Amino acid sequence: GAGVSQSPSNKVTEKGKDVELRCDPISGHTALYWYRQSLGQGLEFLIYFQGNSAPDKSGLPSDRFSAERTGGSVSTLTIQRTQQEDSAVYLCASSLAQRTDTQYFGPGTRLTVL
Amino acid sequence: AQKITQTQPGMFVQEKEAVTLDCTYDTSDPSYGLFWYKQPSSGEMIFLIYQGSYDQQNATEGRYSLNFQKARKSANLVISASQLGDSAMYFCAMREGRSNYQLIWGAGTKLIIKP
Repeated sequence: GAGVSQSPSNKVTEKGKDVELRCDPISGHTALYWYRQSLGQGLEFLIYFQGNSAPDKSGLPSDRFSAERTGGSVSTLTIQRTQQEDSAVYLCASSLAQRTDTQYFGPGTRLTVL
Repeated sequence: AQKITQTQPGMFVQEKEAVTLDCTYDTSDPSYGLFWYKQPSSGEMIFLIYQGSYDQQNATEGRYSLNFQKARKSANLVISASQLGDSAMYFCAMREGRSNYQLIWGAGTKLIIKP
Protein backbone atom coordinates (compact mmCIF):
# COMPACT_ATOMS: atom_id res chain seq x y z
CA GLY A 1 0.00 0.00 0.00
CA ALA A 2 0.98 3.65 -0.33
CA GLY A 3 3.09 5.19 2.38
CA VAL A 4 2.99 8.70 3.79
CA SER A 5 3.38 11.28 1.06
CA GLN A 6 4.44 14.89 1.38
CA SER A 7 4.51 17.78 -1.01
CA PRO A 8 6.38 19.66 -2.18
CA SER A 9 9.63 17.76 -1.78
CA ASN A 10 11.56 21.01 -1.92
CA LYS A 11 10.46 24.57 -1.30
CA VAL A 12 12.57 27.68 -1.64
CA THR A 13 10.98 30.89 -0.47
CA GLU A 14 11.91 34.42 0.42
CA LYS A 15 11.97 35.70 3.96
CA GLY A 16 8.58 37.05 4.96
CA LYS A 17 6.54 34.88 2.62
CA ASP A 18 4.00 32.30 3.78
CA VAL A 19 4.40 28.61 2.91
CA GLU A 20 2.12 25.60 3.05
CA LEU A 21 3.40 22.06 3.39
CA ARG A 22 1.13 19.10 2.76
CA CYS A 23 1.03 15.64 4.25
CA ASP A 24 -1.11 12.72 3.12
CA PRO A 25 -0.99 9.95 5.75
CA ILE A 26 -1.31 6.23 5.25
CA SER A 27 -4.93 5.31 4.65
CA GLY A 28 -6.61 4.27 7.88
CA HIS A 29 -4.07 5.93 10.15
CA THR A 30 -5.82 8.20 12.62
CA ALA A 31 -2.75 9.74 14.21
CA LEU A 32 -0.62 12.28 12.36
CA TYR A 33 2.54 14.04 13.49
CA TRP A 34 4.65 16.88 12.19
CA TYR A 35 8.35 17.14 13.01
CA ARG A 36 11.13 19.50 12.06
CA GLN A 37 14.69 18.40 11.46
CA SER A 38 17.42 20.99 11.23
CA LEU A 39 20.66 20.11 9.48
CA GLY A 40 22.56 17.39 11.32
CA GLN A 41 20.04 17.27 14.15
CA GLY A 42 17.45 14.87 15.48
CA LEU A 43 13.75 15.47 15.12
CA GLU A 44 11.82 18.21 16.91
CA PHE A 45 8.15 17.52 17.58
CA LEU A 46 5.80 20.19 16.28
CA ILE A 47 2.18 19.06 16.40
CA TYR A 48 0.04 15.95 16.75
CA PHE A 49 -3.44 15.11 15.51
CA GLN A 50 -5.52 12.17 16.70
CA GLY A 51 -8.86 11.60 15.06
CA ASN A 52 -11.28 14.41 15.82
CA SER A 53 -9.61 15.40 19.07
CA ALA A 54 -8.07 18.83 19.56
CA PRO A 55 -4.49 18.74 18.29
CA ASP A 56 -1.49 18.91 20.59
CA LYS A 57 0.27 22.07 19.45
CA SER A 58 2.79 22.14 22.27
CA GLY A 59 5.78 21.79 19.96
CA LEU A 60 5.01 24.69 17.63
CA PRO A 61 7.91 27.14 18.00
CA SER A 62 5.90 30.32 17.46
CA ASP A 63 2.47 31.59 16.49
CA ARG A 64 3.70 31.86 12.90
CA PHE A 65 3.27 28.09 12.73
CA SER A 66 -0.13 26.47 12.40
CA ALA A 67 -1.52 23.22 11.10
CA GLU A 68 -4.84 21.75 10.24
CA ARG A 69 -6.13 18.36 9.31
CA THR A 70 -9.18 18.18 7.13
CA GLY A 71 -11.55 15.25 7.25
CA GLY A 72 -9.21 13.33 9.49
CA SER A 73 -6.81 12.70 6.63
CA VAL A 74 -4.68 15.25 4.79
CA SER A 75 -2.82 17.79 6.89
CA THR A 76 -1.35 21.16 6.01
CA LEU A 77 1.41 22.87 7.97
CA THR A 78 1.49 26.61 7.40
CA ILE A 79 4.37 28.89 8.25
CA GLN A 80 3.60 32.58 8.03
CA ARG A 81 6.17 35.32 7.52
CA THR A 82 8.96 32.79 7.13
CA GLN A 83 12.33 33.46 8.71
CA GLN A 84 15.73 32.05 7.79
CA GLU A 85 15.77 29.96 10.95
CA ASP A 86 12.69 28.14 9.64
CA SER A 87 14.91 26.45 7.05
CA ALA A 88 14.80 22.75 7.79
CA VAL A 89 13.31 19.48 6.65
CA TYR A 90 9.70 19.10 7.75
CA LEU A 91 8.71 15.49 8.27
CA CYS A 92 5.23 14.09 8.62
CA ALA A 93 4.44 10.73 10.19
CA SER A 94 1.30 8.73 10.77
CA SER A 95 0.34 5.79 12.92
CA LEU A 96 -2.72 3.62 13.34
CA ALA A 97 -3.70 5.07 16.68
CA GLN A 98 -2.27 7.03 19.56
CA ARG A 99 -1.08 3.94 21.36
CA THR A 100 0.45 2.27 18.37
CA ASP A 101 4.14 1.79 18.68
CA THR A 102 5.30 2.68 15.23
CA GLN A 103 5.19 5.97 13.38
CA TYR A 104 5.70 5.79 9.63
CA PHE A 105 7.33 8.77 8.01
CA GLY A 106 7.00 10.54 4.73
CA PRO A 107 9.99 11.69 2.65
CA GLY A 108 9.86 15.20 4.07
CA THR A 109 9.78 18.69 2.62
CA ARG A 110 13.06 20.55 2.52
CA LEU A 111 12.32 24.22 3.18
CA THR A 112 14.90 26.86 2.38
CA VAL A 113 14.21 30.46 3.37
CA LEU A 114 16.45 32.94 1.60
CA ALA B 1 19.78 16.24 30.79
CA GLN B 2 19.66 14.35 27.53
CA LYS B 3 16.94 11.74 27.43
CA ILE B 4 18.49 9.89 24.50
CA THR B 5 22.23 9.84 23.96
CA GLN B 6 23.97 8.55 20.87
CA THR B 7 27.68 8.91 21.53
CA GLN B 8 28.93 8.05 18.05
CA PRO B 9 28.46 10.94 15.64
CA GLY B 10 30.00 8.89 12.84
CA MET B 11 31.24 5.39 12.13
CA PHE B 12 33.09 3.69 9.29
CA VAL B 13 32.62 -0.06 8.95
CA GLN B 14 33.91 -2.53 6.40
CA GLU B 15 31.26 -4.21 4.29
CA LYS B 16 30.07 -7.57 5.65
CA GLU B 17 31.21 -6.78 9.17
CA ALA B 18 28.77 -6.46 12.04
CA VAL B 19 28.23 -3.01 13.50
CA THR B 20 26.88 -1.83 16.84
CA LEU B 21 25.34 1.61 17.19
CA ASP B 22 25.10 2.86 20.75
CA CYS B 23 22.07 4.36 22.42
CA THR B 24 21.54 5.13 26.09
CA TYR B 25 18.37 6.57 27.53
CA ASP B 26 17.15 8.22 30.67
CA THR B 27 13.68 7.81 32.08
CA SER B 28 12.03 7.16 35.41
CA ASP B 29 8.88 5.81 33.83
CA PRO B 30 8.74 2.00 34.07
CA SER B 31 6.79 1.80 30.81
CA TYR B 32 8.57 2.99 27.72
CA GLY B 33 9.42 1.98 24.19
CA LEU B 34 12.63 2.30 22.24
CA PHE B 35 12.85 2.69 18.48
CA TRP B 36 15.53 2.74 15.87
CA TYR B 37 15.05 4.53 12.58
CA LYS B 38 17.26 4.74 9.52
CA GLN B 39 17.48 7.91 7.46
CA PRO B 40 19.24 7.51 4.11
CA SER B 41 20.37 10.50 2.11
CA SER B 42 16.93 10.63 0.48
CA GLY B 43 15.63 11.93 3.81
CA GLU B 44 12.87 9.48 4.63
CA MET B 45 12.79 8.02 8.13
CA ILE B 46 12.54 4.25 7.93
CA PHE B 47 11.41 2.29 10.97
CA LEU B 48 13.78 -0.56 11.79
CA ILE B 49 13.04 -2.10 15.16
CA TYR B 50 11.14 -1.61 18.41
CA GLN B 51 11.78 -2.76 21.98
CA GLY B 52 9.25 -2.39 24.77
CA SER B 53 10.44 -1.97 28.33
CA TYR B 54 8.57 -5.06 29.46
CA ASP B 55 9.65 -7.26 26.59
CA GLN B 56 11.49 -10.26 27.91
CA GLN B 57 13.56 -10.88 24.82
CA ASN B 58 15.69 -8.65 22.67
CA ALA B 59 13.92 -7.56 19.51
CA THR B 60 15.13 -8.84 16.16
CA GLU B 61 14.13 -7.94 12.61
CA GLY B 62 16.13 -9.66 9.91
CA ARG B 63 19.70 -8.36 10.08
CA TYR B 64 18.77 -5.92 12.84
CA SER B 65 18.76 -6.78 16.50
CA LEU B 66 18.48 -4.66 19.58
CA ASN B 67 20.83 -5.33 22.47
CA PHE B 68 18.57 -4.21 25.32
CA GLN B 69 20.29 -3.88 28.68
CA LYS B 70 17.63 -2.47 30.95
CA ALA B 71 19.74 -2.03 34.06
CA ARG B 72 22.30 -0.06 32.10
CA LYS B 73 19.58 1.82 30.20
CA SER B 74 21.10 1.00 26.88
CA ALA B 75 19.45 -0.09 23.65
CA ASN B 76 22.17 -0.64 21.10
CA LEU B 77 21.34 -1.51 17.51
CA VAL B 78 23.30 -4.36 15.98
CA ILE B 79 23.44 -4.77 12.23
CA SER B 80 24.83 -8.10 11.13
CA ALA B 81 26.66 -8.58 7.83
CA SER B 82 26.60 -4.91 6.88
CA GLN B 83 25.85 -3.90 3.30
CA LEU B 84 26.67 -0.79 1.30
CA GLY B 85 23.00 0.15 1.42
CA ASP B 86 23.20 0.38 5.18
CA SER B 87 25.07 3.67 4.85
CA ALA B 88 22.75 6.24 6.43
CA MET B 89 21.98 8.21 9.56
CA TYR B 90 20.58 6.09 12.38
CA PHE B 91 18.39 7.55 15.08
CA CYS B 92 17.40 6.12 18.43
CA ALA B 93 14.12 7.35 19.90
CA MET B 94 12.08 6.75 23.04
CA ARG B 95 8.42 6.97 23.92
CA GLU B 96 7.75 7.33 27.64
CA GLY B 97 4.63 6.01 29.29
CA ARG B 98 1.84 3.82 27.99
CA SER B 99 -0.17 6.58 26.39
CA ASN B 100 2.41 9.17 25.51
CA TYR B 101 2.75 9.43 21.78
CA GLN B 102 5.67 11.82 21.58
CA LEU B 103 9.00 10.40 20.54
CA ILE B 104 12.19 11.78 22.05
CA TRP B 105 15.04 11.59 19.58
CA GLY B 106 18.77 11.18 19.80
CA ALA B 107 21.13 13.23 17.65
CA GLY B 108 21.89 10.31 15.38
CA THR B 109 24.91 8.35 14.16
CA LYS B 110 26.16 8.58 10.62
CA LEU B 111 27.16 5.12 9.43
CA ILE B 112 29.30 4.68 6.35
CA ILE B 113 29.92 1.21 4.99
CA LYS B 114 33.19 0.84 3.09
CA PRO B 115 33.45 -1.60 0.18
